[in-house]
This record gives sequence, C-alpha cells and structure tokens, in this order.
Amino acid sequence: DVKVTQSSRYLVKRTGEKVFLECVQDMDHENMFWYRQDPGLGLRLIYFSYDVKMKEKGDIPEGYSVSREKKERFSLILESASTNQTSMYLCASGRNTEAFFGQGTRLTVV
Amino acid sequence: AQSVTQPDIHITVSEGASLELRCNYSYGATPYLFWYVQSPGQGLQLLLKYFSGDTLVQGIKGFEAEFKRSQSSFNLRKPSVHWSDAAEYFCAVGGSYSYFGNEKLTFGTGTRLTIIP
Repeated sequence: DVKVTQSSRYLVKRTGEKVFLECVQDMDHENMFWYRQDPGLGLRLIYFSYDVKMKEKGDIPEGYSVSREKKERFSLILESASTNQTSMYLCASGRNTEAFFGQGTRLTVV
Repeated sequence: AQSVTQPDIHITVSEGASLELRCNYSYGATPYLFWYVQSPGQGLQLLLKYFSGDTLVQGIKGFEAEFKRSQSSFNLRKPSVHWSDAAEYFCAVGGSYSYFGNEKLTFGTGTRLTIIP
C-alpha cells in the first residue's frame, strides 16, 4: 500500500511562530503536493514539487514556502503563522496516475 | 482556468436508498475527472477516476460515475447506500495537457452525505 505520512495530526502554534509541516511518502513518487482544506472552500493547492529542489506555486502560495531536499520528503513552511492560516493541511504524492493523500494535519494558530 | 462545481452542500439519504451526487466541471481540453471520499478525521481516498474510453466508470465500494461531455458533468451514483457511506465527497478535475494533470487537481467544495436509518 502507498503510504503518505504527515508528521502531526494536530498542531497548535502561536501567531508569529515559524511552523514546519512534514510529509513523507514511501512510493518513490516524483510529484508531491500541499493542499489546504477549509469548510465551504474544498481543497486548494498551495505548492507542489515535481523533483528534488524543484517547486511551483499553486493557487494560494502567499504566506507559505516549501522545501524538498529529498525525494520522499516535502515540507510546508509557514514563515510567520497567522490566525487565518488555521486550517486542515493535506499532503499528497503521485506519479502521473493518481494522487495519494496523507491523513492531514489540523493546524490551529492562536 | 479549470473549475469544479458541486451544487449540493449537504445531502441526506435513507439507508438502502439510491444516491446521486452532482459534479460539473469547466476545462478547456479533455479532462481527467476524479471522485474522492473523506471520512471524518481522515485523508482523502480515491473512489474512481475517468481518463478516457467508456464513459461509465466503476469504482470501489459499489460506486460508479458517468462522464457526460455535452453536460460537462461527472455525477457519482450508488444504487443502495450503507451507513458507512456517510462522509464528505469531493469531485476533482485534472489537466490532460499537463504532466501533472493526474495529481495537480482542482477540487469542488464537497458534498456532505448523511445516512439516516
């Protein structure tokens, strides 16, 4: 079975903190994605990566950055967390067939 | 730009009844279409996908969907729902012209399904 693992299920951070969300996949997929899920808005793409050290902005990249130093790991970084970044964050990986999703990280910024 | 509309925010169905969840898409080329399901507190699981060929697609858990190009629709159906089908359902479209088309997806806002005994 494909496994996409997000390091935390729940996270509470303070406004202004630098936050790292980690995602690891075990299927040697080239492509990895970070989505944000909010009620009534569905999932929106923040960033994606198609190779190590390569990244592309998605639809809502403002306030976020990403890092992909190894093929299996894709990190989402909130440079200075704000309350409007409170959300569910979903990581996905795939290789031109379909996307496999992690369990999600519910981030609360207080 | 591609987009997906799921017009029903919330649907309630009796156990054993049939189900149809609506999805309309906007895309300038041949779309890749997906239905995902999300149980409470879980990630998304792929139910089925359409890339080309037969417009009636069978998926897991007894679900099927029909691609209708003339109506820009990809509605999800199940003949008889079970209590375990209660979840949120997302329709998504990917780009056939893009290398990332199958995973770089645009999602609808979701339909929450409630099952009553």
